Amino acid sequence: DAGITQSPRHKVTETGTPVTLRCHQTENHRYMYWYRQDPGHGLRLIHYSYGVKDTDKGEVSDGYSVSRSKTEDFLLTLESATSSQTSVYFCAISVSAGELFFGEGSRLTVL
Amino acid sequence: GENVEQHPSTLSVQEGDSAVIKCTYSDSASNYFPWYKQELGKGPQLIIDIRSNVGEKKDQRIAVTLNKTAKHFSLHITETQPEDSAVYFCAASGEYGNKLVFGAGTILRVKS
Repeated sequence: DAGITQSPRHKVTETGTPVTLRCHQTENHRYMYWYRQDPGHGLRLIHYSYGVKDTDKGEVSDGYSVSRSKTEDFLLTLESATSSQTSVYFCAISVSAGELFFGEGSRLTVL
Repeated sequence: GENVEQHPSTLSVQEGDSAVIKCTYSDSASNYFPWYKQELGKGPQLIIDIRSNVGEKKDQRIAVTLNKTAKHFSLHITETQPEDSAVYFCAASGEYGNKLVFGAGTILRVKS
């Protein structure tokens, strides 16, 4: 079975501070994704990666950056967190043609 | 880009009844339509999907129908059980499922 570990699972931070969320997969799936989930909006794609050092923007990428230096790790960085970035963040991997497998989520609160 | 609308936002049914959730999409090039179920505190999990070359797909108590002409697809759950209570998301994308666009979600409550 595909395995994803997201860390941290919960974080409270203050406006203006940098935050990095980590997604680690135990298999060598090529595609990895970061989504955010907010009430009334479902899941919205922030960034995705199709290989080491290959990334692209999703529909809500402003204020976020990503990096993928190893196949197994996909990092999401908020350079200067804002209250509008309070959300639940999900990492996902593409395990077969189309199917996404999601992690357990990281709940971020920006005060 | 693709836009997916999902209705209703909440749905309450009696145990044993059927539940139907409907989605519409805007991009006629989309041809992959999955449905995800999310239980409290967990990530979404794929429960069924359909591709544009198929009009209907069934897996035990759940089924999905697709009308490409009208650009809408639906999830049908029969003989609902309390464990079906969750949030359900529809989504749409191009052939390889990259960059899935999700609907806003439906909270399904099954009352026993």
